[in-house]
Order: sequence, then structure tokens, then C-alpha cells
Amino acid sequence: GNSVTQMEGPVTLSEEAFLTINCTYTATGYPSLFWYVQYPGEGLQLLLKATKADDKGSNKGFEATYRKETTSFHLEKGSVQVSDSAVYFCALSGAQGAQKLVFGQGTRLTINP
Amino acid sequence: GAVVSQHPSRVICKSGTSVKIECRSLDFQATTMFWYRQFPKQSLMLMATSNEGSKATYEQGVEKDKFLINHASLTLSTLTVTSAHPEDSSFYICSARDQRTGLAYEQYFGPGTRLTVT
Repeated sequence: GNSVTQMEGPVTLSEEAFLTINCTYTATGYPSLFWYVQYPGEGLQLLLKATKADDKGSNKGFEATYRKETTSFHLEKGSVQVSDSAVYFCALSGAQGAQKLVFGQGTRLTINP
Repeated sequence: GAVVSQHPSRVICKSGTSVKIECRSLDFQATTMFWYRQFPKQSLMLMATSNEGSKATYEQGVEKDKFLINHASLTLSTLTVTSAHPEDSSFYICSARDQRTGLAYEQYFGPGTRLTVT
């Protein structure tokens, strides 16, 4: 079945550091890939998405590229801010427009000033 | 953007009792709602999918008689954990989408409910 594996946390960085959170997946067909973010006390929010190979999703300075050859969708940001502190979830939605989302275990990110 | 609320945010109940968790879409009609549970340091696991006015579809391994889901209106779904046991303690999260207007993957998530069974 489909699965997502992401980098275990917690991750602690200083402000303005470069961020990478690794995510790899196993899926049949051509899934869509997502990063969700959960700020304290709030629901998960879609951060970015990519629906086909080589697509790059981007939002709020974050980027991730859909790499089919390495089955990866790593999240990156060039310069993190304290306000980026949150839990980040990598997820996939199966082919044929399936609605079900399969999540990774989440990575807690803390940015220190 | 679309907002989904959950109530309560935290609940403690005694073993053997039942507890109901509500999930509401505040500014859109949720034709489909999803219920997830999350154990510490683990993924969100889909428990069931419910469509308004019809029976929920449960994922393999989820007891439908234990986790009762009612999606009686386009803005409200409820999850009732019946005869709760300590192993049911978890973080329960709902999400909602409007199939008529949204893309297949557009789900809006509630903030979650922490259930502790003593």
C-alpha cells in the first residue's frame, strides 16, 4: 500500500538557517504529494502541493520538488523564521484522484531567535 | 479560507463510558468528512470517511461499532467513542471537504480533540 516516511524530529534551528525536512514515499501509479503545516492549537493547513513528477510546489518561502526517480518530496526553506515553528506533515493522495490522504509521522520544527 | 472546528478540544472520561466529538464546517458545506487518529510520534491514520446522509466507510481494522460516525448535516459530523478504554486515548482529528467545488485533495482540518480515558 501507499506510505510516507519523513525525517524524524524534533528539529531545532536558529533563525535564518537553511531548512530541509526529508520525505520519501511508496505508492503505485502517480500520486499527488503535499506538505501540511500545523501551528500550535490549529488544524493542519495545506502548505504546498505537487501533482506530477518534476513539479515544484512553493508557498511562504518553502519549496518541494516532486522527484519520481528518488520517490522524494523534500521540504526546503532558505532562511527560516521563528514564526515557522510548527509541525510539518508530508502526505500523498493516491492516483485516480483518490481522496484519501496518507501522512508521514510529522516533524516538529522549532526555530530559536 | 475554509474553517473547521472541533469540540471539545480536550476530554477526559472514565473507562466504560462513551464520549462524543463534534466536527463542524463553519463557512462551507462539507459533503465529505474524514476522521483521523494520531498516536504520539506517529502518523495521522484515517479511521473513516463519511458522506452526508449515508453510512460511513471505515478503514480496515477500525471497529465501526466502537467508533460511531454520524454525518447528519452538511456542516456537522460526530464521532462517538463507545465503551472507551485507555487504549482509545489518542488525538482525534477531523477534516472536511466540499466535493461539489473542491479538488479531490482539498481537505480542511479541525484542530483536533485530545481524548484521555482513565
